[in-house]
Amino acid sequence: DAGITQSPRYKITETGRQVTLMCHQTWSHSYMFWYRQDLGHGLRLIYYSAAADITDKGEVPDGYVVSRSKTENFPLTLESATRSQTSVYFCASSESEVLSGNTIYFGEGSWLTVV
Amino acid sequence: ILNVEQSPQSLHVQEGDSTNFTCSFPSSNFYALHWYRWETAKSPEALFVMTLNGDEKKKGRISATLNTKEGYSYLYIKGSQPEDSATYLCALGGSEKLVFGKGTKLTVNP
Repeated sequence: DAGITQSPRYKITETGRQVTLMCHQTWSHSYMFWYRQDLGHGLRLIYYSAAADITDKGEVPDGYVVSRSKTENFPLTLESATRSQTSVYFCASSESEVLSGNTIYFGEGSWLTVV
Repeated sequence: ILNVEQSPQSLHVQEGDSTNFTCSFPSSNFYALHWYRWETAKSPEALFVMTLNGDEKKKGRISATLNTKEGYSYLYIKGSQPEDSATYLCALGGSEKLVFGKGTKLTVNP
């Protein structure tokens, strides 16, 4: 049971470069999420997707682009990386709407450093 | 934007102590309250999901209660062990997504 996997796990990139973080889940969950975790801020939602070809902004979407052409994949792209995007990024998925009490399952995180 | 507050921000206890922390949230339009346990370099792990006022959930030495009318949830750890050291996150389920608090970092000293 592979679950939810993220790649790369660790990445160092330069300011201005484009970076894509990959997320793949094997459960056929409808919902997928991208969060970033920063000291003093907890987990903040960047983007989420309710199904293939449906995406929506979260709390901190600026500077990020997502797509969901297939149910199992939800890549996150930093179009022009900035130092403020240095963070730990968590991908997550949920079978259905969280308001119904469905659990969100997290990947192991991608540590991104922008220099 | 929903505001989820957790207190204390950090906590140091001795092995064997029992402890508890608080999650506060707006009591209007409540859907679900989630608790997660997160160790650095690992995935946040789901502990409990609670949806009804008065809910009590238990998992081993860890338990949680929910009061939706006054907008708070307590997480209790009985007889803390060093392996309980982690950050405990609560999250409010609203519409299609979870809004997380900043977490309580627990350190259990042997």
